[in-house]
Amino acid sequence: SAVISQKPSRDICQRGTSLTIQCQVDSQVTMMFWYRQQPGQSLTLIATANQGSEATYESGFVIDKFPISRPNLTFSTLTVSNMSPEDSSIYLCSVVSREAEFFGPGTRLTVL
Amino acid sequence: EDQVTQSPEALRLQEGESSSLNCSYTVSGLRGLFWYRQDPGKGPEFLFTLYSAGEEKEKERLKATLTKKESFLHITAPKPEDSATYLCAVQAPGGYNKLIFGAGTRLAVHP
Repeated sequence: SAVISQKPSRDICQRGTSLTIQCQVDSQVTMMFWYRQQPGQSLTLIATANQGSEATYESGFVIDKFPISRPNLTFSTLTVSNMSPEDSSIYLCSVVSREAEFFGPGTRLTVL
Repeated sequence: EDQVTQSPEALRLQEGESSSLNCSYTVSGLRGLFWYRQDPGKGPEFLFTLYSAGEEKEKERLKATLTKKESFLHITAPKPEDSATYLCAVQAPGGYNKLIFGAGTRLAVHP
């Protein structure tokens, strides 16, 4: 299975600011995914990040709010822009390896 | 609309008391059904992938089964360390890997 790390593991931010979350994988992967898990809820896909192309966003998520970078096959970033308390969630990245999807440990974001 | 429903929302068991968790789904053309375990404050941990009706997979005290409309996660003689939220997800048809998750079942196993 792929080993995935995320930074930061948690953060507390003020409304109106932005936070960039990093995701590092121990092997080269074509597709990386970003999810949001709001308190007490299940996972919702934000976007799919492919190296060398624009990210594909799911309905309800836009690039201006959640810009994504994918500079190489082992790394991606998700920025949560102009944050509000409603953005308080766990943000997770994932990759597909050998027909299963593996998740990072998550970034717990609290917006005050 | 593709949908995944898990039941029960929460389950409390005594150590050694076997039970099953349910995941029912509606999807046009199932490509795969996945089970994950999630501990508080952590990312989901992959357990199983099932692809076709009749398929079964086992890992320690867990066994996952699949029919055309639902999947079951059977837990045999559970231990307190099995306490976690168990998530079910289906892979929707399409050109890329998109998982649709259920809300999960919170399992608590008491000694």
